[in-house]
Amino acid sequence: DAGITQSPRHKVTETGTPVTLRCHQTENHRYMYWYRQDPGHGLRLIHYSYGVKDTDKGEVSDGYSVSRSKTEDFLLTLESATSSQTSVYFCAISPGDSGNTIYFGEGSWLTVV
Amino acid sequence: QQPVQSPQAVILREGEDAVINCSSSKALYSVHWYRQKHGEAPVFLMILLKGGEQKGHEKISASFNEKKQQSSLYLTASQLSYSGTYFCGDPTYNQGGKLIFGQGTELSVKP
Repeated sequence: DAGITQSPRHKVTETGTPVTLRCHQTENHRYMYWYRQDPGHGLRLIHYSYGVKDTDKGEVSDGYSVSRSKTEDFLLTLESATSSQTSVYFCAISPGDSGNTIYFGEGSWLTVV
Repeated sequence: QQPVQSPQAVILREGEDAVINCSSSKALYSVHWYRQKHGEAPVFLMILLKGGEQKGHEKISASFNEKKQQSSLYLTASQLSYSGTYFCGDPTYNQGGKLIFGQGTELSVKP
């Protein structure tokens, strides 16, 4: 196992409610990522972090915010969930060198009704 | 910019070979390959770091031509266990650390 824990693993929420997904790592890796995966779209980067309090936007960041106050935790927040945010969300970590493996968490299934 | 993979999907019989291509419109310094089984997380296969480098994982090998900004994944004598979606990834650590994946190639191996 790569030492990544995502929580919750499954969640159903109502439109307009805030939702926070948590990614916790035990590897002390510098880089952390949040992706969403939808049929036909592959893995799309939402936000990523290259250090504590250092974050940047990815390909599909609208409607999402992130925070990283500790090396081990990377939080993804949907301020007001919409049905278009129903998806599988994967967290990933990396030491941050092009020669290093990227490890994925097991995924969080989010349904917005 | 997202790498482009081809084909989008391929169906094979056990024992047949397949090639999955990954190309980029910008410079590639390295390429990652991942495989994802249905309902599971993507799993690392291999990294190619240098131009012209080739690597292998079981009967799966890959090449990387940095001049052509392309990488190819070769699946030889495919097995049922090879079924899944394959992704190439561009780790742009030299450009801020974004890790961008291609759209994926769905591979189905039939008995």
